[in-house]
Amino acid sequence: GAGVSQSPRYKVAKRGQDVALRCDPISGHVSLFWYQQALGQGPEFLTYFQNEAQLDKSGLPSDRFFAERPEGSVSTLKIQRTQQEDSAVYLCASSLSGRGRTGELFFGEGSRLTVL
Amino acid sequence: GENVEQHPSTLSVQEGDSAVIKCTYSDSASNYFPWYKQELGKRPQLIIDIRSNVGEKKDQRIAVTLNKTAKHFSLHITETQPEDSAVYFCAATLYSGAGSYQLTFGKGTKLSVIP
Repeated sequence: GAGVSQSPRYKVAKRGQDVALRCDPISGHVSLFWYQQALGQGPEFLTYFQNEAQLDKSGLPSDRFFAERPEGSVSTLKIQRTQQEDSAVYLCASSLSGRGRTGELFFGEGSRLTVL
Repeated sequence: GENVEQHPSTLSVQEGDSAVIKCTYSDSASNYFPWYKQELGKRPQLIIDIRSNVGEKKDQRIAVTLNKTAKHFSLHITETQPEDSAVYFCAATLYSGAGSYQLTFGKGTKLSVIP
């Protein structure tokens, strides 16, 4: 596609429910990032993939958060047993650059998660 | 890890005036500093970036300056227009050593350009 695509755009979950958020990066982009953006705040790093390898998951807030990118393209962020503090916009971004080389991040529109 | 402070949190200017947003970072190893513009409900989009081997970069009405010694960088927008109204985020990039480079974002500046 022409840009980074995320789905669903909006998700309302009851506390304790599991959710899965999908990211379809720009074709050919090596790097894929997940960020969490709380209301009125800047994006905060969650995890990074280079192709299918998850090289950095230091930003995941708890073991309820899990991300995968099994074939090096589409990625899924899964949140188990959602809590109210998980409510945020989850942004996916991709970059043509690989490990150790900085480059422009292209962001998706985000998935807004509301946990009731 | 890296820590980025951004000021001011809100900024109102008259159309045609200049706007300046300032950021500081904590880790001298950071080497790439992008600025993103985010309109309400939209995705962040890169507007300009600067690398640590450059002191200043300009693109039409937008410029960024970097002072590595002081560890701060600034965004300058001249001749502001209503369509410049948005939230602007600065970021600093640090190679984590764990195989990735991490962007650490500031908390954002909400710029309002008054017609």
